[in-house]
Amino acid sequence: SYVLTQSPSVSVAPGQTARITCGGNDIGRKSVHWYQQKPGQAPVLAVYDDSDRPSGIPERFAGSNSGNTATLTISRVEAGDEADYYCQVWDSSSEVVFGGGTKLTVL
Amino acid sequence: EVQLVESGGGFVQPGGSLRLSCAASGFTFSNFWMHWVRQPPGKGLVWVSRIHTDGTTNYADSVKGRFTISRDNAKNTLYLQMNSLRAEDTALYYCVREASGDWLDSWGQGTLVTVSS
Repeated sequence: SYVLTQSPSVSVAPGQTARITCGGNDIGRKSVHWYQQKPGQAPVLAVYDDSDRPSGIPERFAGSNSGNTATLTISRVEAGDEADYYCQVWDSSSEVVFGGGTKLTVL
Repeated sequence: EVQLVESGGGFVQPGGSLRLSCAASGFTFSNFWMHWVRQPPGKGLVWVSRIHTDGTTNYADSVKGRFTISRDNAKNTLYLQMNSLRAEDTALYYCVREASGDWLDSWGQGTLVTVSS
């Protein structure tokens, strides 16, 4: 089955840019979706179809996808962005696949 | 407003059974594919199962043959029948709606299942 690889953690100072990556074989050919999960809360869709944002998600959240890596970029990071972030794709066997998650720490 | 409210979680011994329910409101339930996603304590998200609008189902290999997803469109309710439960099934189980474009756009708050002797 398809495997998505995420770094376990990313740390960034407030106001700086955080880049969270999601690796997968030829992932650029798939649609990638990103979810934000704050402590004690359910996940929330943050980016869909590689780079689109649902209503209510700040423009600071941007997604890209090419080759073997998809990236969620969070600009001007705020304390409230501290959360776990998960990437997700559909596998060819009609299964949902999640990455292992990346914990974003705001220093 | 879309609302998904799970229930039915609890403590069960290995080999036991539980039936989870998810009450949906705020949208036309019958028009959407629905999923169960679980999260073991302190770990990441794991997809469990999906049911199409036409009743077609898919399962993760880890639960195939033990879990059954179903829906009652008249009651706007999603179900997950879990049999032959194992310790590794211990998790928070989320009911999730799939948007028209295959992303998961609405999540419930989850119901906790604990399998232990």
